[in-house]
Amino acid sequence: KNQVEQSPQSLIILEGKNCTLQCNYTVSPFSNLRWYKQDTGRGPVSLTIMTFSENTKSNGRYTATLDADTKQSSLHITASQLSDSASYICVVSARGGSYIPTFGRGTSLIVHP
Amino acid sequence: GAGVSQSPSNKVTEKGKDVELRCDPISGHTALYWYRQSLGQGLEFLIYFQGNSAPDKSGLPSDRFSAERTGGSVSTLTIQRTQQEDSAVYLCASSILDVSSYNSPLHFGNGTRLTVT
Repeated sequence: KNQVEQSPQSLIILEGKNCTLQCNYTVSPFSNLRWYKQDTGRGPVSLTIMTFSENTKSNGRYTATLDADTKQSSLHITASQLSDSASYICVVSARGGSYIPTFGRGTSLIVHP
Repeated sequence: GAGVSQSPSNKVTEKGKDVELRCDPISGHTALYWYRQSLGQGLEFLIYFQGNSAPDKSGLPSDRFSAERTGGSVSTLTIQRTQQEDSAVYLCASSILDVSSYNSPLHFGNGTRLTVT
């Protein structure tokens, strides 16, 4: 069964600090992994996509990594801002049939001033 | 351009009543998804439409839930005889999908918050 597990479930950090969110998956055959950001009261928005051949990708202060061998991904946030407070969701898509991706439960990040 | 639009943004209904939730996807997007998100929980897949193909209804929790997509565009999610456990945010997403587009992102609306009293 395809599964996506995220950790930690929640995280509180001070503004300006860095943090790293983790995602482990068992989706097969692997196509791609996306990180979404969901602000309170809004729908999720895609931050970055990782395909099989990519190890790291940056989008501003967000850097995603992928280890396809261990089936792990991380999202690193540098110099956090209050606006980074949100839920971060790891979503993995399989190749060859279903276009229904598998969602993790998300990590809730709170950035305090 | 316009994003995915959902209406109403909030809906309060009495237990036992039927409700209809509407989703207007991004123009040209062939794939449309419905998800449910209970308070503090992850997204739960409900149903998926792709072009003129039969929808994937594997996520619908009971036969009280149904959805249709007219003309390959607007979609309506209907919940009959609502129960208190149906209270949640219902999110719609659309995407450009074809056999070479596994990498297309889902574009979400901001959801309909349903409260069953």
